Amino acid sequence: DGGITQSPKYLFRKEGQNVTLSCEQNLNHDAMYWYRQDPGQGLRLIYYSQIVNDFQKGDIAEGYSVSREKKESFPLTVTSAQKNPTAFYLCASRSQEGGKEKLFFGSGTQLSVL
Amino acid sequence: GESVGLHLPTLSVQEGDNSIINCAYSNSASDYFIWYKQESGKGPQFIIDIRSNMDKRQGQRVTVLLNKTVKHLSLQIAATQPGDSAVYFCAEIDPNTGNQFYFGTGTSLTVIP
Repeated sequence: DGGITQSPKYLFRKEGQNVTLSCEQNLNHDAMYWYRQDPGQGLRLIYYSQIVNDFQKGDIAEGYSVSREKKESFPLTVTSAQKNPTAFYLCASRSQEGGKEKLFFGSGTQLSVL
Repeated sequence: GESVGLHLPTLSVQEGDNSIINCAYSNSASDYFIWYKQESGKGPQFIIDIRSNMDKRQGQRVTVLLNKTVKHLSLQIAATQPGDSAVYFCAEIDPNTGNQFYFGTGTSLTVIP
């Protein structure tokens, strides 16, 4: 999907377990984002990163952590502190070309709790 | 965060009819809006955008209208087709930081053959 690869597509977490969602892009975009989507709701911002080695909290960062060691990669860890992790997680990168601001999304990871 | 909302959660239209999906925003300083389409099990895809210095923008079968007075925008889809069935989101960029994208709750469009 537009050069953004998320894996795995489905992930199951046991109680007390940390899990990491992968997001890789080959679009050479500087900015990357993680969103959470719950059924019947819009996308809520978890974390975003403008450049390598820098990231900012979004509106619902509690219980999540990220890293940005490489431009291409922006993994999201759902920690045991996140008590309601079941959701569809979307990663995106941002293009700023020709006056247009576009987010290119991956195909998402569905996380469920066992 | 910013508030971007949609008036109706679901919309059903007959194939061939025109569809109108509405969205309201709260920050009068917002100056850039985007519409996304999300098909089931996939990530959202960019449809069309509009800046606050415009009232209307047209694409292929889609038109976005912006009314800054009442802080409202709409997406019009002409001659709706079964492939248009999806969830549609309006989004805005945070005018304060220029870095965060805020999404509405989405409207699920169903096209009846």
